[in-house]
Amino acid sequence: GNSVTQMEGPVTLSEEAFLTINCTYTATGYPSLFWYVQYPGEGLQLLLKATKADDKGSNKGFEATYRKETTSFHLEKGSVQVSDSAVYFCALDYGGATNKLIFGTGTLLAVQP
Amino acid sequence: SAVISQKPSRDICQRGTSLTIQCQVDSQVTMMFWYRQQPGQSLTLIATANQGSEATYESGFVIDKFPISRPNLTFSTLTVSNMSPEDSSIYLCSVAGPSDNKQYFGPGTRLTVT
Repeated sequence: GNSVTQMEGPVTLSEEAFLTINCTYTATGYPSLFWYVQYPGEGLQLLLKATKADDKGSNKGFEATYRKETTSFHLEKGSVQVSDSAVYFCALDYGGATNKLIFGTGTLLAVQP
Repeated sequence: SAVISQKPSRDICQRGTSLTIQCQVDSQVTMMFWYRQQPGQSLTLIATANQGSEATYESGFVIDKFPISRPNLTFSTLTVSNMSPEDSSIYLCSVAGPSDNKQYFGPGTRLTVT
């Protein structure tokens, strides 16, 4: 069945460091891929998405490219800020028009000044 | 976009009791979803709730344990019945946005069963 695997946290970085959070998936068909973020005390928010192979999603300096050949959707940011401290979830949809999502376990990012 | 509120935000309940969680959306939406996030785990879809029809449950979840109501296009409830400590989780409501088809999530209800 469909599944998402993402790197375990916590990930602790200094401000302005480069960030990579790995995410790989298993899916039948061609799902859309997502990164969601949950800031402390807030609800889950969509950070970026990609709907087909080789698409690059980007938002707030974060990027992720849909790699079908490696079944990956790694999240990257060139220079993290303290305000990026949050839990990041990789997800894929079931496909079709269901809007149902399968999530990874989440990765806690802590950025220190 | 869609703004979602949930009540209660948190609760501590005794085993064997039931809790009903409310989800309110600020716009009319067709699809509403209920997820569970157990401690240290990812979000798992419980069911899809569409107005005017019975909820569709995912594998491992049953209506007797998690009855859902969807009386209109802006509101839904999830009941966690006959609770046990294993039901301690964060329960989240989400919707597919009416115009952009993105998924929006509520702030969650943190449930602790003692």
